[in-house]
Amino acid sequence: LAKTTQPISMDSYEGQEVNITCSHNNIATNDYITWYQQFPSQGPRFIIQGYKTKVTNEVASLFIPADRKSSTLSLPRVSLSDTAVYYCHVSSGGYNKLIFGAGTRLAVHP
Amino acid sequence: GAVVSQHPSRVICKSGTSVKIECRSLDFQATTMFWYRQFPKQSLMLMATSNEGSKATYEQGVEKDKFLINHASLTLSTLTVTSAHPEDSSFYICSAPGAPSGGADYEQYFGPGTRLTVT
Repeated sequence: LAKTTQPISMDSYEGQEVNITCSHNNIATNDYITWYQQFPSQGPRFIIQGYKTKVTNEVASLFIPADRKSSTLSLPRVSLSDTAVYYCHVSSGGYNKLIFGAGTRLAVHP
Repeated sequence: GAVVSQHPSRVICKSGTSVKIECRSLDFQATTMFWYRQFPKQSLMLMATSNEGSKATYEQGVEKDKFLINHASLTLSTLTVTSAHPEDSSFYICSAPGAPSGGADYEQYFGPGTRLTVT
């Protein structure tokens, strides 16, 4: 399982764009990159997933360079409700177990 | 998207008693489910993989006789914490892989979690 490294914490303000980068140097050819969000006392929820280049959905964008050794989750115009822990995960096949890294604790301030 | 439920959401029990936590996939079948434990301000720690119709696979360091897992049907897995002690107090979360809703690969759908407090 590819190991991931993320910043432990980040601070931002409402309305700003937040970019969280995850390193996964040992990513395998078949691996997908998935980001999850977790609020306190709740289970994580899926945000976005990608394999290469750029993926965008209604809540975030995911940028993956050509070598796929890192990925950047971009949250446009964050609000207070985006305060959460964000986990980056790399695996080939959702039936594989998830080994979570430490995640990034994002705090959005007024 | 797919929904995974857990019951109870919160439980308090006395030291030495056993507690059962249920994890259900509500609108899809899950031959595999995963159980995690999370302590305050820490990441999720995978405890075991629950397999329908066969024995669970436990991660290193997790006592299989203490954390009993039963995956009796395609929509239900249970985790029983036996002879619970205060150090077992934690947030327990289950997940099940399901068809993708936002990506190309299977996603993990997580339950809302169960807060266990052992007094």
